[in-house]
Amino acid sequence: EAGVAQSPRYKIIEKRQSVAFWCNPISGHATLYWYQQILGQGPKLLIQFQNNGVVDDSQLPKDRFSAERLKGVDSTLKIQPAKLEDSAVYLCASSFDRFMNTEAFFGQGTRLTVV
Amino acid sequence: DQQVKQNSPSLSVQEGRISILNCDYTNSMFDYFLWYKKYPAEGPTFLISISSIKDKNEDGRFTVFLNKSAKHLSLHIVPSQPGDSAVYFCAALNAGGTSYGKLTFGQGTILTVHP
Repeated sequence: EAGVAQSPRYKIIEKRQSVAFWCNPISGHATLYWYQQILGQGPKLLIQFQNNGVVDDSQLPKDRFSAERLKGVDSTLKIQPAKLEDSAVYLCASSFDRFMNTEAFFGQGTRLTVV
Repeated sequence: DQQVKQNSPSLSVQEGRISILNCDYTNSMFDYFLWYKKYPAEGPTFLISISSIKDKNEDGRFTVFLNKSAKHLSLHIVPSQPGDSAVYFCAALNAGGTSYGKLTFGQGTILTVHP
């Protein structure tokens, strides 16, 4: 079974530039998560989708971050404009269905450095 | 508001001995708990889980204990091996409200197993 795919693996941008991350979840998984992990901290949920609908985006900085999951499969997370404090690893995860107690599977993450 | 807390940033044990990692939570809507293991430059990988209707779940060298009244869980690794050296995250799934299926993580504990 193919895992969660993310790209790119690494990205360096200057502050005020924009950046986009892509995620392809495990086939058949209805729930998709985007997490931000700052060095030394646990992953923080940014947004959660159920199919192509947003379930929770309460911790997404909506003035600069946006995410979509068209057709309920792939997802993109965008930051525009980036700030220095956005430097982190961005993790995508998927699970079979949020209404079932199953584990979430993670991609390798995208390490973003804002300079 | 840190709903899942891992109060020990690091733990060092000798190979062959027991490793005990602890986690506390505050949200009574959590009803499924998971442990993830993370190596550098990789995404978290699922290790073991437990439902709130149980107090113990065992998988090989890994056992998770849940004390619902104390809102506390722990992960026991016996015997510990050098390959177990990683960051361990405790996570909890919401089972109600609009955040159904929301996966919240603790800050992580760095485990080092010395040969």
